[in-house]
Amino acid sequence: EDQVTQSPEALRLQEGESSSLNCSYTVSGLRGLFWYRQDPGKGPEFLFTLYSAGEEKEKERLKATLTKKESFLHITAPKPEDSATYLCAVQALNAGGTSYGKLTFGQGTILTVHP
Amino acid sequence: DGGITQSPKYLFRKEGQNVTLSCEQNLNHDAMYWYRQDPGQGLRLIYYSQIVNDFQKGDIAEGYSVSREKKESFPLTVTSAQKNPTAFYLCASSILRGSTDTQYFGPGTRLTVL
Repeated sequence: EDQVTQSPEALRLQEGESSSLNCSYTVSGLRGLFWYRQDPGKGPEFLFTLYSAGEEKEKERLKATLTKKESFLHITAPKPEDSATYLCAVQALNAGGTSYGKLTFGQGTILTVHP
Repeated sequence: DGGITQSPKYLFRKEGQNVTLSCEQNLNHDAMYWYRQDPGQGLRLIYYSQIVNDFQKGDIAEGYSVSREKKESFPLTVTSAQKNPTAFYLCASSILRGSTDTQYFGPGTRLTVL
């Protein structure tokens, strides 16, 4: 069974204080690992897709990295507007080597950035 | 503007009633999905559909039903058999061609049972 565990559950930072969020996963065969941002009462907003170990992607103050067992979302010099819940999800290859698209989500990390 | 719309934003249901949540997309995506989100838990898959007139159960399909009569639409019915329906419901869609299969989400419907 595919599993995703995110840590910490909640993270409080001062504006400008860089940090990282962790996403540990177990999956039979990884097709992709996804990061989303979710604001309260809204749907998740897509951030990144990572496909293979060693891959990195950046967007503004965010940088996502991937190893064979975990992914990190690095936040550099965060601002209060970066406050949100960050969700990690994995998509597995099925037995035939293709994917029907199912995502398995972690429980999320609630990030609060204080001015 | 292309995107996914869900309606209503808030929905209140009395015990024993069936209610239907709407999901429409104009992205020309092949696949559509319904997830349920509860506080402190990850999103859980209810149903998904890859083509018109076909759909499959996800991890928590009991008490729910869906239809896919049009590519653009994937309504979810929460039946009276669903024992704990109060939750935030999210619809998503994705292309099933090419190397990427990113799911894009709608704004969600919050269902409360009175």
